[in-house]
Amino acid sequence: DTAVSQTPKYLVTQMGNDKSIKCEQNLGHDTMYWYKQDSKKFLKIMFSYNNKELIINETVPNRFSPKSPDKAHLNLHINSLELGDSAVYFCASSQVGGPGQETQYFGPGTRLLVL
Amino acid sequence: AQSVTQLDSQVPVFEEAPVELRCNYSSSVSVYLFWYVQYPNQGLQLLLKYLSGSTLVKGINGFEAEFNKSQTSFHLRKPSVHISDTAEYFCAVSKASGTYKYIFGTGTRLKVLA
Repeated sequence: DTAVSQTPKYLVTQMGNDKSIKCEQNLGHDTMYWYKQDSKKFLKIMFSYNNKELIINETVPNRFSPKSPDKAHLNLHINSLELGDSAVYFCASSQVGGPGQETQYFGPGTRLLVL
Repeated sequence: AQSVTQLDSQVPVFEEAPVELRCNYSSSVSVYLFWYVQYPNQGLQLLLKYLSGSTLVKGINGFEAEFNKSQTSFHLRKPSVHISDTAEYFCAVSKASGTYKYIFGTGTRLKVLA
């Protein structure tokens, strides 16, 4: 009964390919996030969706496109992968409004390696 | 804008010794503060958070942190560490209202030695 799950856990691919990472949460939250953790462990937010609407969009290349089919899912599609995209991508969720709204719950991460 | 500084990238400490991991933040508005732990090859787990009220916050696994507004600090402490505490520790800040976007520090690797 994992709260925030991500698939795949590991992803190895060639430069130039297109790939997707999926995230699902069963916490009933209405807000989901994508973070990127680089090789130096630095964590930076990329996107956030609230009830399927984009509310945070940091300076991220257009090759990255998030999609939220419903509030329990937030997928990340990456076009034309580059070496610099190699990182760990974390999904997180929270419930905006009410007690605990400030707390985000993180998934296990997807380790992407671009060769 | 908010920012977070974790001055120590690595902290080695012997088992059963006390430890303090330092976190300083910068913000022109009220903030919430968090400590998350990342065990090897795992996601982030919330240790504790400061929202308001008492400046001493107790978290899971025997950790506590003290919010100091004048020094803009939120240092994490544990009186006696275990081997199992070896992990990466992240301090994070968010605005206390609006969109709760986390700004993370660069992390501190705690290495507990036998």
